[in-house]
Amino acid sequence: NAGVTQTPKFQVLKTGQSMTLQCAQDMNHNSMYWYRQDPGMGLRLIYYSASEGTTDKGEVPNGYNVSRLNKREFSLRLESAAPSQTSVYFCASSDWTSVSVGTGELFFGEGSRLTVL
Amino acid sequence: SQQGEEDPQALSIQEGENATMNCSYKTSINNLQWYRQNSGRGLVHLILIRSNEREKHSGRLRVTLDTSKKSSSLLITASRAADTASYFCATDEGTGGFKTIFGAGTRLFVKA
Repeated sequence: NAGVTQTPKFQVLKTGQSMTLQCAQDMNHNSMYWYRQDPGMGLRLIYYSASEGTTDKGEVPNGYNVSRLNKREFSLRLESAAPSQTSVYFCASSDWTSVSVGTGELFFGEGSRLTVL
Repeated sequence: SQQGEEDPQALSIQEGENATMNCSYKTSINNLQWYRQNSGRGLVHLILIRSNEREKHSGRLRVTLDTSKKSSSLLITASRAADTASYFCATDEGTGGFKTIFGAGTRLFVKA
């Protein structure tokens, strides 16, 4: 099983360039998430999508946009990359549909390592 | 600011010893989860405990939850070198799981 697939795995950008990180899951999950991980900071939630057609801001949404293209795919776009966005980005999905429905377990991709020069 | 704060930030023990990590959080929750991350990899789910549960076991893992103190602990018994990883707690901030927020993690090093 592929699980959660992220592309690209590595990317180097110059300040001001734009790019889109792609994420797809094959587990028929309703919820999808984008996190960033900086050294010593743990994971910080950028955006999440509780279901197809909905997206909500997380802890650190500034500088990012997201699209829930369909149930399988959730993309993260950097319109004008800044050095502060150098990080490892993780996509995750979950079977949460409500408080009592779903195991709540997040399944993570292997990460996308982005460097902004 | 992050919801969960793990303590200690780093822990080094000998193989065979027990490892205890603590997590404190700020808001009410419906559930709390623990995850493990090996170096350079994605996170892997270990265990979920709901707000109406006080203790849960899974193999060598034991998780406790004290909602009155807004804290949780993860105990790994009889540690192995392969347990070397970072461990994170995560809470839902009362959203029912949609908005899962992670702490900064505890780095565990188990010496063979």
